[in-house]
Amino acid sequence: EVQLVESGGDLVQPGGSLSLSCAASGFTVRHSFMSWVRQAPGKGLEWVAVLYVDGGAYYADSVKGRFTISRDNAKNTLYLRMNSLRPEDTAVYFCARHSVYFGSESYVEYWGQGTQVTVSS
Amino acid sequence: QVVLTQSPSASASLGASVNLTCTLSSGHSNYAIAWHQQPPEKGPRYLMNLNSDGSHNKGDGIPDRFSGSSSGAERYLIISSLQSEDEADYYCQTWGTGIRVFGGGTKLTVL
Repeated sequence: EVQLVESGGDLVQPGGSLSLSCAASGFTVRHSFMSWVRQAPGKGLEWVAVLYVDGGAYYADSVKGRFTISRDNAKNTLYLRMNSLRPEDTAVYFCARHSVYFGSESYVEYWGQGTQVTVSS
Repeated sequence: QVVLTQSPSASASLGASVNLTCTLSSGHSNYAIAWHQQPPEKGPRYLMNLNSDGSHNKGDGIPDRFSGSSSGAERYLIISSLQSEDEADYYCQTWGTGIRVFGGGTKLTVL
């Protein structure tokens, strides 16, 4: 059974940093396309970052240069390092595994339950 | 850039059927989408992917009450025999080279 369990969410001051983790089970993270998706209070889903099987990483313009997606193959865990946090980064952050279509990422097939990040002084 | 448009809200009675719509922006009517359900205070759950020809594949454990269809740039999620637990937000998603887009979501109320 595929499971994604996020952790690391917290209250942090503007300009601060935070690292999120997503522990995966039932599949191998390094063989999967993995994303972080966030949801601001009362808003819809917003894709944040994706990590490819080959290690390539892509980011939404709103977080480019501030956030870094990575994985630890030995721990089968996905991470999101967030620097220079802003109040508008306040959201629930979901870890997601994509299905694969012709060797590339496609739709999100599995979601975690989310972890809350609040950026406020 | 692809844009997905969803009505903010929809409602239907217990036991009835409802169609939720996701509209692809001009020039992108051949894109496949996926539907996701998000119950209140919970994470999303993948329901199905839906192709432009209306063919679709559901996720594990998704009831037969959920189905999909397509017409031009419109992608539909059809829920029949509505139950109280179907009250949720529903999001569509599409993808492509450099494309990772969600619709704004539809809040479904079961009366």
